[in-house]
Amino acid sequence: EAGVVQSPRYKIIEKKQPVAFWCNPISGHNTLYWYLQNLGQGPELLIRYENEEAVDDSQLPKDRFSAERLKGVDSTLKIQPAELGDSAVYLCASSLRTGKGTDTQYFGPGTRLTVL
Amino acid sequence: GEDVEQSLFLSVREGDSSVINCTYTDSSSTYLYWYKQEPGAGLQLLTYIFSNMDMKQDQRLTVLLNKKDKHLSLRIADTQTGDSAIYFCAERESSASKIIFGSGTRLSIRP
Repeated sequence: EAGVVQSPRYKIIEKKQPVAFWCNPISGHNTLYWYLQNLGQGPELLIRYENEEAVDDSQLPKDRFSAERLKGVDSTLKIQPAELGDSAVYLCASSLRTGKGTDTQYFGPGTRLTVL
Repeated sequence: GEDVEQSLFLSVREGDSSVINCTYTDSSSTYLYWYKQEPGAGLQLLTYIFSNMDMKQDQRLTVLLNKKDKHLSLRIADTQTGDSAIYFCAERESSASKIIFGSGTRLSIRP
């Protein structure tokens, strides 16, 4: 079974340019997460989707970041315009949230963004 | 708010046991996790423990939980070079999907 797929794996852009990341979760997983991981730190949640609904986006900088999960499967995270401080790894994770279990999250390999 | 803390580095000799420690602040944590991250890869779930357990063993991995002190540890027996990675401790309340991660402990193995 395929894991969480993310693309691109690496992206280098100049500041003020737009950038988009794509995530395909594990088949059947209803919950999708986008995390930001800065160097030397643990992941921090940006947004969580349950099916196509964003249920927790309190940490998403909405002035420049946007996300969507059309049809409740794939998701795209966009930054426009990118700033130098956005350089980080963007991780996508998915889980099958039933409200009864551990809600184990499975992570993709991440997209490493470098803003010059 | 919730906080999870770990030491940044650990160096052990190949074949010895590694013990990675973690403390957390949220007393309502129900699930506690250990994730492993190898260079250039995402996080891989190693094991988890429910807050009503004291210990969980899974092959070379032993997780100990001291709920009173809010202290979690991961012991890796017979540490191998393939165990070199960053290990993240994380906690979650039962009613929430949000997981709070520590900053990670980088485990290095010396011959």
